[in-house]
Amino acid sequence: KQEVTQIPAALSVPEGENLVLNCSFTDSAIYNLQWFRQDPGKGLTSLLLIQSSQREQTSGRLNASLDKSSGRSTLYIAASQPGDSATYLCAVEGGSEKLVFGKGTKLTVNP
Amino acid sequence: EPEVTQTPSHQVTQMGQEVILRCVPISNHLYFYWYRQILGQKVEFLVSFYNNEISEKSEIFDDQFSVERPDGSNFTLKIRSTKLEDSAMYFCASSLLGTQNTGELFFGEGSRLTVL
Repeated sequence: KQEVTQIPAALSVPEGENLVLNCSFTDSAIYNLQWFRQDPGKGLTSLLLIQSSQREQTSGRLNASLDKSSGRSTLYIAASQPGDSATYLCAVEGGSEKLVFGKGTKLTVNP
Repeated sequence: EPEVTQTPSHQVTQMGQEVILRCVPISNHLYFYWYRQILGQKVEFLVSFYNNEISEKSEIFDDQFSVERPDGSNFTLKIRSTKLEDSAMYFCASSLLGTQNTGELFFGEGSRLTVL
């Protein structure tokens, strides 16, 4: 059974700092991995999708990497801003048209 | 930009009542999903739907739950007889290609269900 773990559970940084969020998964046989952002009481906003054949994806200040063999992904956020404050969720395609989610990393960027 | 819309945003119901949560997926998408998130917990898969039938469901999705695509635009989740533990945020999602075909999933804003 696929399990997804995200570390740290919470992170507080000053504005402008570069930071890394970590995601690990137990079964490396995945189709893809997706990073989402969730604001309090809101839905999930897709940030990046990495297919299993890819090593990384970039969108603006965000860069996500995938190491399938070791069961790890990282989300790198450059030059963080207060507007980046949210919970970041990692999810892997666990087979049969379903995503398995981690519990998330709650990020606070202080002005 | 196309988006997934959900109604209602919040519903309060008494235990044992039937609830229908509604979703309008992105118009050209072919795969539809329901997920839920109990407060403070992980987002959990409930069901996936493709070609007018359920393609996968979790152990949470028991006989009290059903899904339907009554017309070309709506996708509904029905809970027949709600329990206290059904209180959660329910998210609808859609995808053009499906997750196994490396399609991206797009989520709605959620419907918060409170069972009293």
